[in-house]
Amino acid sequence: KAGVTQTPRYLIKTRGQQVTLSCSPISGHRSVSWYQQTPGQGLQFLFEYFSETQRNKGNFPGRFSGRQFSNSRSEMNVSTLELGDSALYLCASSLAMGKSLAESYEQYFGPGTRLTVT
Amino acid sequence: GDSVTQMEGPVTLSEEAFLTINCTYTATGYPSLFWYVQYPGEGLQLLLKATKADDKGSNKGFEATYRKETTSFHLEKGSVQVSDSAVYFCALSTSFGAGTTVTVRA
Repeated sequence: KAGVTQTPRYLIKTRGQQVTLSCSPISGHRSVSWYQQTPGQGLQFLFEYFSETQRNKGNFPGRFSGRQFSNSRSEMNVSTLELGDSALYLCASSLAMGKSLAESYEQYFGPGTRLTVT
Repeated sequence: GDSVTQMEGPVTLSEEAFLTINCTYTATGYPSLFWYVQYPGEGLQLLLKATKADDKGSNKGFEATYRKETTSFHLEKGSVQVSDSAVYFCALSTSFGAGTTVTVRA
C-alpha cells in the first residue's frame, strides 16, 4: 500500500507570494490533517478535512486555507507569505478522525514539504 | 482545551541504557493516546498507541501504559540502541507534545 505523498518536497518563495501544497492520502483514508512543524513551536495543527469538509481547525490566521477533493486528495494554500511561515508542512491521513477524542485514529504522515520564505 | 505535556530533552544515553520519556495529558473523556517517532530527515511515524485505560501499547521494544488515575502515558524502553536516536512525540488526537530528542551513543 502506497504511503502518504506530498508535493513538492522543497519550495522557496518570496515574502508576499502565495503557495499551494498538495497531499495524497493512503488509499481508503478519508481524513487528511495538516500540521506546521518549526523548531520553536513544534508541531502545530492547522486543519483537518473529512469527506471534503473542514471538520477541525487550529489557531492559524485566515491566510492559511485548505480544501479536499472527492478522491480525498488535499491541498493547502498560504497567501501573502511571511518569513515566519518558513517551516516543514506535514500532511497526515487517517481512516477517520472522530468528532470525539475517544474516536481518534492513528495518523500516517507524509515526508513533508519544506517551505522557505525569503 | 485538550492537550499533552511532554518531558523536554534533549536526552543523551549510552547503548543498552533504560529510557523513559514522560507524558501527561488533559482531556475530557477517555481519548486514545499515541507515541510517534521522527527519525532524522523523515516524517513522523506511529510507534505505539493505547485506546483505553490500563491498555499497554508496545512496538520495537518500546512500551507505554495508559494510566487514567495519573493521566499519564509514559514511554519506556529497557535497552536502547543507536538506531533509536530520534525525536519522540506524545499525542492526543491533533495535539502533539513538544517532542523529545533522544541521542544514543555507542
